[in-house]
Amino acid sequence: DVKVTQSSRYLVKRTGEKVFLECVQDMDHENMFWYRQDPGLGLRLIYFSYDVKMKEKGDIPEGYSVSREKKERFSLILESASTNQTSMYLCASSRGRGFRQETQYFGPGTRLLVL
Amino acid sequence: GENVEQHPSTLSVQEGDSAVIKCTYSDSASNYFPWYKQELGKGPQLIIDIRSNVGEKKDQRIAVTLNKTAKHFSLHITETQPEDSAVYFCAARLYNFNKFYFGSGTKLNVKP
Repeated sequence: DVKVTQSSRYLVKRTGEKVFLECVQDMDHENMFWYRQDPGLGLRLIYFSYDVKMKEKGDIPEGYSVSREKKERFSLILESASTNQTSMYLCASSRGRGFRQETQYFGPGTRLLVL
Repeated sequence: GENVEQHPSTLSVQEGDSAVIKCTYSDSASNYFPWYKQELGKGPQLIIDIRSNVGEKKDQRIAVTLNKTAKHFSLHITETQPEDSAVYFCAARLYNFNKFYFGSGTKLNVKP
């Protein structure tokens, strides 16, 4: 079974803090993704990576950065947390490139509250 | 890019009834359409998917239909059970892209 784990289920941070969200997958997947999930808006893509040290902006990258130093690990960084970044953050991974890409497998999510 | 719309946003059915959730997409280059189920406190999990060269796919009580001409696809759940209660997301993937585009979700409530 594919397993995608996220470092924290719940996180409370203060405005202006630097926040790290970690994601690890154990299936040697090439692709990894970070989404945020807000009520009524579905899943919105923040960043994704299709290889180590590679990253591409998704639909809402502002205020976020990412790091992929190892194939199995993909980190999401909030450089200076703001209250409008309070959300559920979901990490996902998948195998394959382009039209060969298979479905995405999701982690359990990190619910972040920024005060 | 792609735009995926999903309806309804909430759906309440009686146990044993059928439930249908519909999605439309905008880009005819989309060729893969997964459906996910998200239970409370968990990440979305794939329940069924369909590729653009197929019109229908079934897996026990779950089926998905795809109409490429109209650019819409639907999830059908028959003989619903209380454990089917969850949020369901549709998604579309553009051919040769690594990105998936998600619908806004449908909260299904199955009343016992």
